Amino acid sequence: QVQLQESGPGLVKPSETLSLTCTVSGGSISSYYWSWIRQPPGKGLEWIGYIHFSGTTSYNPSLKSRVTISVDTSKNEFSLNLSSVTAADTAVYYCARGGGTFEIWGQGTMVTVSS
Amino acid sequence: EIVLTQSPATLSLSPGERATLSCRASQSVSNYLAWYQHKPGQAPRLLIYDASNRATGIPARFSGSGSGTDFTLTISSLEPEDFAVYYCQQRHNWRTFGQGTKLEIK
Repeated sequence: QVQLQESGPGLVKPSETLSLTCTVSGGSISSYYWSWIRQPPGKGLEWIGYIHFSGTTSYNPSLKSRVTISVDTSKNEFSLNLSSVTAADTAVYYCARGGGTFEIWGQGTMVTVSS
Repeated sequence: EIVLTQSPATLSLSPGERATLSCRASQSVSNYLAWYQHKPGQAPRLLIYDASNRATGIPARFSGSGSGTDFTLTISSLEPEDFAVYYCQQRHNWRTFGQGTKLEIK
């Protein structure tokens, strides 16, 4: 059974870069698209972007200038970098399998942006 | 950006009752709409994709319908484990989610 697990710092300072990794277990990262989605406290879900195992990416236009998603097939993981963060980037960050429909999700990790 | 509006915001029902959740899109999304269930502290779970197709392992009491701008998720007879927040999501133009419907025990 495929499982996803997010990992990374729970606290990031304003103006710095948020970096998270999603480790895929129970299956291969190959042949699928992989996404990042976030949910600020008390707000709705927001798609951040996706990556294909081949390296093709697509990003939410509202975040595109600050987002980079990468994949490491040898480690069966993919990563999110979000630069120049502000308090508005405080959220639970989820990784998920799929680029259009999100078939399997991780449990999410809370990231707070604060000095 | 396509805006998805879910109604009602909160739905209070008892186990055994029928639940009907609505999702309306600001413009047509064809049938490119999914439904998810989310319980606190858990990973969201895909229920329905492409408007009416149940995902793997989803019980038959969950059904989806609609196309274009109006969609419905129906739970035919509520089980105790069905009380959660439900989100719709479109993939026709980028990807956006509705604000969610909280299904609570009456």
